[in-house]
Amino acid sequence: NAGVMQNPRHLVRRRGQEARLRCSPMKGHSHVYWYRQLPEEGLKFMVYLQKENIIDESGMPKERFSAEFPKEGPSILRIQQVVRGDSAAYFCASSTGLNEKLFFGSGTQLSVL
Amino acid sequence: AQSVTQLDSQVPVFEEAPVELRCNYSSSVSVYLFWYVQYPNQGLQLLLKYLSGSTLVKGINGFEAEFNKSQTSFHLRKPSVHISDTAEYFCAVLGRGAEGAQKLVFGQGTRLTINP
Repeated sequence: NAGVMQNPRHLVRRRGQEARLRCSPMKGHSHVYWYRQLPEEGLKFMVYLQKENIIDESGMPKERFSAEFPKEGPSILRIQQVVRGDSAAYFCASSTGLNEKLFFGSGTQLSVL
Repeated sequence: AQSVTQLDSQVPVFEEAPVELRCNYSSSVSVYLFWYVQYPNQGLQLLLKYLSGSTLVKGINGFEAEFNKSQTSFHLRKPSVHISDTAEYFCAVLGRGAEGAQKLVFGQGTRLTINP
């Protein structure tokens, strides 16, 4: 049973481009969480999704950021018109249900030039 | 609202020495506390957790932590560290977001460096 898979591991974008980060949860997991780790800071919650639903997006910036978890396929975190301040490690975690143990992916390191 | 403070951003220790990584929390609801470890270029792994019961919690790789309600602390300890323990360690408290869903609130992290 493969763990939580995130790709790409490293993503380089120029300012103004779009970044798409993908997360495939563990088999049998229908709950996905996205966290952002900024340099010199801890991990910050961004969004919690179940299949086809956004449950809690209180940690998402109001503009340019969106997330989805379709019925089929991975969860996608999308950042439009990236800026240098978006450079960070983005971690995805999945679980089987509400309040169940979280399993984390290895993260995607986004670098904005 | 819940919050976590890790008092040390970096902790250098010699191999086989004991180590303590400090964590203080604030929470207005029932307290569930966690320590996660992030090895270089890897995701987070759960080291240990406190949900209820005994205040001394044992985790993987010889780590343990003690929940102290009066001091609102959850410090992580290991009596003798190894080079392989070099990693970033995150303390976290379980918060509640929309729909009552779990939402981990993390500290800033402590970088543990083991020197030979």
